[in-house]
Amino acid sequence: GQQVMQIPQYQHVQEGEDFTTYCNSSTTLSNIQWYKQRPGGHPVFLIQLVKSGEVKKQKRLTFQFGEAKKNSSLHITATQTTDVGTYFCAGPYSSASKIIFGSGTRLSIRP
Amino acid sequence: EADIYQTPRYLVIGTGKKITLECSQTMGHDKMYWYQQDPGMELHLIHYSYGVNSTEKGDLSSESTVSRIRTEHFPLTLESARPSHTSQYLCASSGVKETQYFGPGTRLLVL
Repeated sequence: GQQVMQIPQYQHVQEGEDFTTYCNSSTTLSNIQWYKQRPGGHPVFLIQLVKSGEVKKQKRLTFQFGEAKKNSSLHITATQTTDVGTYFCAGPYSSASKIIFGSGTRLSIRP
Repeated sequence: EADIYQTPRYLVIGTGKKITLECSQTMGHDKMYWYQQDPGMELHLIHYSYGVNSTEKGDLSSESTVSRIRTEHFPLTLESARPSHTSQYLCASSGVKETQYFGPGTRLLVL
């Protein structure tokens, strides 16, 4: 069946270092979404990418959608303690109106 | 203000009890979802609904049931709670853009 894989599972960085998480789908996606879940919280929508090769930025966060629309990445420049949490990618499941979430990347930061 | 609500936020209950987790949204979204998530782990879709009187089982087998009698309301019921049901339950809704808005979650502990 359709799968969305996400790596790495965990990332522990020094504050100020960069961070990247990668998302790969077994099938072409019409769009890719990214969510952030703070410890003890619920997932919060960050961004949606729709176009092949699209790149979007939100302050220190850069999101990319691959040319083949099967992979995506989230890059955080100069991490801060407020970036701590789990980052999930998600893509629509074939023609059904439900979303498949990746397994998430948990980011922790050493001050 | 448009939002999505879940009650109760925390629930401790004995084995064998029947429980209903409430979820309501004021955004007029047709699609609603229930996820089960253990702390820091993946999101597992257990039920979803495309609209009133429409419900489907998700990817994770669940002993719970759902109903969708009103657009804004999507309750989840466990007929007989067991310790294996201990988890966090997250409700979400989505509109035409398919991006998901999550409620704050219900943390369930079954003794």
